[in-house]
Amino acid sequence: KNQVEQSPQSLIILEGKNCTLQCNYTVSPFSNLRWYKQDTGRGPVSLTIMTFSENTKSNGRYTATLDADTKQSSLHITASQLSDSASYICVVSGGTGGFKTIFGAGTRLFVKA
Amino acid sequence: KAGVTQTPRYLIKTRGQQVTLSCSPISGHRSVSWYQQTPGQGLQFLFEYFSETQRNKGNFPGRFSGRQFSNSRSEMNVSTLELGDSALYLCASSSAANMNSYNEQFFGPGTRLTVL
Repeated sequence: KNQVEQSPQSLIILEGKNCTLQCNYTVSPFSNLRWYKQDTGRGPVSLTIMTFSENTKSNGRYTATLDADTKQSSLHITASQLSDSASYICVVSGGTGGFKTIFGAGTRLFVKA
Repeated sequence: KAGVTQTPRYLIKTRGQQVTLSCSPISGHRSVSWYQQTPGQGLQFLFEYFSETQRNKGNFPGRFSGRQFSNSRSEMNVSTLELGDSALYLCASSSAANMNSYNEQFFGPGTRLTVL
């Protein structure tokens, strides 16, 4: 069964600290993986998109890594800011018997002053 | 370029009623996807349209339907509303012919539907 699991469910960090969010998937064959940031009450905004041939992609203070062998991805946030408080959603596309896009449940990040 | 717009932003309905939500994609985008987001279920895919044709459909009952017009604007309709239909409904547009492609999807702000 194609699944995308994210951890932790929620995370509280102090402003200025770094953090890493995890995404494990079982979607196979794999096509691409995206990380989105969603502020409360708003639509998701794309942070990174990676295919199986890419193992790192950065967008400012956000760096996503991908290990297609272990089917794991991480999103690292450097020098967190209060505005980083949001949900971070991992989305994986691929699969057989009908190409699918599977959304993870998200990690809720709280950055405190 | 204007982003994806959705109307209305907020809606309150009662059980048994029907509702129509509208989405205008980014100019030039021909693919529109709809999603339901609830606190317990996260983002759930409803359906995807490309050039007025439904290309993909999620696992939702027939009460949920949609369509796309020749100008790429899309509407989704929910009939016989149930309490569990209360959610944020998001629309996303893409220049790709397939929602699963590498091309980026751009999301609208969503319509918050409350069913009483």
